[in-house]
Amino acid sequence: DADVTQTPRNRITKTGKRIMLECSQTKGHDRMYWYRQDPGLGLRLIYYSFDVKDINKGEISDGYSVSRQAQAKFSLSLESAIPNQTALYFCATSDLGSASYNEQFFGPGTRLTVL
Amino acid sequence: ELKVEQNPLFLSMQEGKNYTIYCNYSTTSDRLYWYRQDPGKSLESLFVLLSNGAVKQEGRLMASLDTKARLSTLHITAAVHDLSATYFCAVLRYNFNKFYFGSGTKLNVKP
Repeated sequence: DADVTQTPRNRITKTGKRIMLECSQTKGHDRMYWYRQDPGLGLRLIYYSFDVKDINKGEISDGYSVSRQAQAKFSLSLESAIPNQTALYFCATSDLGSASYNEQFFGPGTRLTVL
Repeated sequence: ELKVEQNPLFLSMQEGKNYTIYCNYSTTSDRLYWYRQDPGKSLESLFVLLSNGAVKQEGRLMASLDTKARLSTLHITAAVHDLSATYFCAVLRYNFNKFYFGSGTKLNVKP
């Protein structure tokens, strides 16, 4: 079974709709991240969380919100989707422990299309 | 804000040739990571470089880090078609606990 899972894997929605993307992990990591990937722009950080009570904005948080329901679950919401939020979204986890060197582990991605 | 620049952004090469991808970053960093992404897939970790002078090798790929020059390289030796993918470098700012990614280098190895 995959260590980091994302649902849904693909979603098509309309402008103005509220959308939630979910991420679950079985790695036992405290740190979780949401990124979006656009062609030619690499990955850009939307939000990150170091534990259930710690949520931080990334470089492109406008139009997004998150919820850390448990250590293993981190959800990303688009309150009112717009077409320029069409992108590939990745969840990632990491561990502060020295053995892992903060290496990030990525989920399979969610392809979101906003019409 | 930390900037990470990769070059080239696109690389088309013949099998058997050698080439290097460069990753420059703008401020002091604590760690550098290389990832591979196949089309439509997630990112797969390749290397973690922890300190100045670090060198890691796996098969035909070798990564190195020069923290004084703020430069990491990913060297491809005798490329094969299976190496075709997009390669990303990422830099960790430890105090901020944030990762900054380069734009990626799309590598196409022609048979």
